[in-house]
Amino acid sequence: GNSVTQMEGPVTLSEEAFLTINCTYTATGYPSLFWYVQYPGEGLQLLLKATKADDKGSNKGFEATYRKETTSFHLEKGSVQVSDSAVYFCALRAEGRRALTFGSGTRLQVQP
Amino acid sequence: GAGVSQSPRYKVAKRGQDVALRCDPISGHVSLFWYQQALGQGPEFLTYFQNEAQLDKSGLPSDRFFAERPEGSVSTLKIQRTQQEDSAVYLCASSLMVGGSETQYFGPGTRLLVL
Repeated sequence: GNSVTQMEGPVTLSEEAFLTINCTYTATGYPSLFWYVQYPGEGLQLLLKATKADDKGSNKGFEATYRKETTSFHLEKGSVQVSDSAVYFCALRAEGRRALTFGSGTRLQVQP
Repeated sequence: GAGVSQSPRYKVAKRGQDVALRCDPISGHVSLFWYQQALGQGPEFLTYFQNEAQLDKSGLPSDRFFAERPEGSVSTLKIQRTQQEDSAVYLCASSLMVGGSETQYFGPGTRLLVL
């Protein structure tokens, strides 16, 4: 079946540090891939997405590249801010399906 | 513009009670999804509608769970005879599928606690 595995948190970084949150997936065919973010007290928000191999999604300084050969979609940001503290979810939508399959989430804590 | 709204935001139920959770999607969005998010986990798909048609209910965990969207807009997720394991956040999402690319927009969720 379809599944998403992401690194466990919490990830604690100092402001302006480089961020990587690993995400790998299992799915047949060519799924679409997503990163969602959940800020404290708020709902899930789409951060970025990629719909085919080698696509790079980017938004708010975050980026992730759809790597078919390694079935990965790692999230990166060059310089994190305190305001980036949140829970980040990697997700996929399998070909022919409408439902999203989510990873278990990674909590990011950025300290001043 | 207005996003997806859900009510109530919090619900406490005694085991065995029935509950009804409401979702108001973004105006004009034809697709509506329900997910269940247990504490510390990612959301898990329950069911989805396209307009008033329920096209996939493969994620509903038991026949105690029932969803409807009679007029193709507002949706209600009903849980009968609630159990403690039903305690979770229930998320609703809506989407306007455009040319094969789709983004699901999520509501704030209803946190259900079954005592």
